[in-house]
Amino acid sequence: GAVVSQHPSRVICKSGTSVKIECRSLDFQATTMFWYRQFPKKSLMLMATSNEGSKATYEQGVEKDKFLINHASLTLSTLTVTSAHPEDSSFYICSARVGEDTQYFGPGTRLTVL
Amino acid sequence: QQQVKQSPQSLIVQKGGISIINCAYENTAFDYFPWYQQFPGKGPALLIAIRPDVSEKKEGRFTISFNKSAKQFSLHIMDSQPGDSATYFCSVYNFNKFYFGSGTKLNVKP
Repeated sequence: GAVVSQHPSRVICKSGTSVKIECRSLDFQATTMFWYRQFPKKSLMLMATSNEGSKATYEQGVEKDKFLINHASLTLSTLTVTSAHPEDSSFYICSARVGEDTQYFGPGTRLTVL
Repeated sequence: QQQVKQSPQSLIVQKGGISIINCAYENTAFDYFPWYQQFPGKGPALLIAIRPDVSEKKEGRFTISFNKSAKQFSLHIMDSQPGDSATYFCSVYNFNKFYFGSGTKLNVKP
């Protein structure tokens, strides 16, 4: 099956710093990747849709200047949490779309902001 | 507005039993209905999926039942095993977006 990786798997940072999370499709090309946020014992919340070569589409209520998304190639999308604060602490998960409607998820990144 | 409603929130099943998780949706435009399995600290994994042109799909011990007229679909796990203990999410898709149910935490007791 399609493999999606995320790096780092876990990151701890100080308040006010920026953190970059990478999402890679390892054995396929993905023109579309999705970024989700998941709170403990909660469902996945779509943050944005990342399209290769164009600007990301953000969901309502998600600050695009806070969560910068770049999809520079067909195998890599990055999410940068700028000026992170403790309330940004969460589990961030990316996925890559294969074909018309199938998505494969990465293993997730646990962000803790002190 | 919640696009898909999932129940129950948690489920305890004895080993060898049948686990049943239900989901309901409103928008008839959805045309792809996947189920995901998630273990703690991991990303969700695609388990099984169905399209609205069939009423049932079976893969090993996992079966999706789909009722288009009722706008409901369910996941059945036959012969449930302790290794199936995880959180399960149903999902619906259309217009380049996936929407997720609230999740069901399944605990299969040995």
